Amino acid sequence: LAKTTQPISMDSYEGQEVNITCSHNNIATNDYITWYQQFPSQGPRFIIQGYKTKVTNEVASLFIPADRKSSTLSLPRVSLSDTAVYYCLVGGSSGGYQKVTFGTGTKLQVIP
Amino acid sequence: NAGVTQTPKFRVLKTGQSMTLLCAQDMNHEYMYWYRQDPGMGLRLIHYSVGEGTTAKGEVPDGYNVSRLKKQNFLLGLESAAPSQTSVYFCASSVGLAGYNEQFFGPGTRLTVL
Repeated sequence: LAKTTQPISMDSYEGQEVNITCSHNNIATNDYITWYQQFPSQGPRFIIQGYKTKVTNEVASLFIPADRKSSTLSLPRVSLSDTAVYYCLVGGSSGGYQKVTFGTGTKLQVIP
Repeated sequence: NAGVTQTPKFRVLKTGQSMTLLCAQDMNHEYMYWYRQDPGMGLRLIHYSVGEGTTAKGEVPDGYNVSRLKKQNFLLGLESAAPSQTSVYFCASSVGLAGYNEQFFGPGTRLTVL
C-alpha cells in the first residue's frame, strides 16, 4: 500500500489561499489521488480527484507533479466554514483487489 | 434520499460481547466499505464489497466479519469485542472502486469496548 504523509495542522486567515500537500512516494502507476473534507462528528466528504497535472472544480484545485510523488490541494479564499480536517487518499486496484490508503489528515483552522 | 445511514450511532460493549453494525444506502451503489478511524491514524479499510453476495478483506480485517445479503445493506460484525476495537466506524458506498470514484460516507458509529 502507498504510504501517505500530510502536515498535522495548518492555520490560515480568512480570505487567504491555502495549500495542503500530501506526500505519496510509492504511488503505483494505476493509483488515483482523492481529497476529502471532514467536519467533527461527520463522515468525510469528497472534494476533488485527479491522476496527474491539474484538476479544478468549483471548490478547489488539485496539483499533481509529473512524478506523482506528491499532490497539493488548493483552497482559494478560505472562510471560517472551511475549518475542518482534510485527508488525501491514494487508491487503485492490484490483482483484482481494492487498495485504499488515507493520509493521517491535516487539521485546518481558519482564523477571522 | 437519505444517502448512507448507519445504525447505531453510539454503543458501549464489554470485552467479549458481540454486536452488528448496520449500513444502508439508497443510491443503488454496487460498492460498499467499512472503515475505522482512530486518532492520528486516518481511516483504515476493514472490509469491502463489490456487489450483493460478495465481500473482501481490507487493510485491517482481523476480528471483524461482514455480510452483503442485499445490495443496499452492508453489515459489520464483531464476534468477541476487544478494547482495541474501540473506534469510530464509518460505512461508505460508491459506484465503482473507491480509489477511482467518489465515496459517500455515513455519519459514523462510535463504539467503546470496556
